[in-house]
Amino acid sequence: EDKVVQSPLSLVVHEGDTVTLNCSYEVTNFRSLLWYKQEKKAPTFLFMLTSSGIEKKSGRLSSILDKKELFSILNITATQTGDSAVYLCATQGGSEKLVFGKGTKLTVNP
Amino acid sequence: DAGVIQSPRHEVTEMGQEVTLRCKPISGHNSLFWYRQTMMRGLELLIYFNNNVPIDDSGMPEDRFSAKMPNASFSTLKIQPSEPRDSAVYFCASSARILSAFFGQGTRLTVV
Repeated sequence: EDKVVQSPLSLVVHEGDTVTLNCSYEVTNFRSLLWYKQEKKAPTFLFMLTSSGIEKKSGRLSSILDKKELFSILNITATQTGDSAVYLCATQGGSEKLVFGKGTKLTVNP
Repeated sequence: DAGVIQSPRHEVTEMGQEVTLRCKPISGHNSLFWYRQTMMRGLELLIYFNNNVPIDDSGMPEDRFSAKMPNASFSTLKIQPSEPRDSAVYFCASSARILSAFFGQGTRLTVV
């Protein structure tokens, strides 16, 4: 059975801090790993990673995948209160099944 | 494109009633997913379709739940009879083969 484990489950930081969120996975016929941000409504897409070692960046957010060790990290630098959200990691296998971890709840205090 | 469209946005129903949730995926997307989200369990995959065919329904909690996708532009998730423990936010998402999945705004279901 495909499995995605995220850590930590929750994190409280101050504005300006840098955070690293972790995602480890076991999936049959791995195709991609995706990161989403969920505030009060639906998850919104951040990154899709398919190859090891290639960093994806978007502003203060970046992510990288290690297919040998079966994990990914999401980094957020110079955090802002607007970064407060649940960050979800998901994997997509050969059958295109999309399985999510339980998420990391990030709280950024002013 | 308007994105994934779900209806209704909110549903309050009495225990024992039938509930039908609806989803219109993004045009051209060939995979459709139904998820249930609760505080305790997070986002659980209930069922997903590929090219309108159900591929994996192992996440469907029990026989009270059923899902259909009669064509590429419409899917339903039905709960009959509904129970208070079914209260959750139900999300529909769609994806194309090489793209990420996009979510609808969800249906918040409350069964009293």
